[in-house]
Amino acid sequence: GENVEQHPSTLSVQEGDSAVIKCTYSDSASNYFPWYKQELGKGPQLIIDIRSNVGEKKDQRIAVTLNKTAKHFSLHITETQPEDSAVYFCAASEGGTSYGKLTFGQGTILTVHP
Amino acid sequence: GAVVSQHPSRVICKSGTSVKIECRSLDFQATTMFWYRQFPKQSLMLMATSNEGSKATYEQGVEKDKFLINHASLTLSTLTVTSAHPEDSSFYICSARRGAGGAETQYFGPGTRLLVL
Repeated sequence: GENVEQHPSTLSVQEGDSAVIKCTYSDSASNYFPWYKQELGKGPQLIIDIRSNVGEKKDQRIAVTLNKTAKHFSLHITETQPEDSAVYFCAASEGGTSYGKLTFGQGTILTVHP
Repeated sequence: GAVVSQHPSRVICKSGTSVKIECRSLDFQATTMFWYRQFPKQSLMLMATSNEGSKATYEQGVEKDKFLINHASLTLSTLTVTSAHPEDSSFYICSARRGAGGAETQYFGPGTRLLVL
């Protein structure tokens, strides 16, 4: 099955700096890569996603890049704000008979210091 | 984004009792919903895939007789933890899949905190 590795496990930045979180996946059949933000005691919130037919997608301060050859994708947050502090999870959607099932990375605790 | 609700948000029960958690997609129909379990400071672990009108598909190691899933309509899936024990205490989160034809997206509910005494 799919295996997703996420790094770093913790990331601390100053307000206004950029933050980058990286994930690698193992199943070349995966074709959907969402990113979720989870605040304490809440469910994950979809913040951006990318499908295998594009290499980059941007939404205001958030961008995601995908390199299918290397099987890795990254989340970029620019001009970070304290409210960006949360746990971020990457995920990959398996193809084949497990179509639609998400495999999650281990999570990154992002702390943005004012 | 789409809205998925869960009820209850928090439940405390005695060991040996059963607890039902509801997951609803409020503004779209979901033929497929998923149930996850999350321990403190850990990632989400998929328990089962719930398909409307058919039996759920359970992940390896998840007891289907203990975690009963019913997906009777396109907007409601329920997870029943039967004969709950303290080790079942966890954060249970559902998600609903919206879209089709390669444009599917999963939206998560707010989670249910279960504490078994």
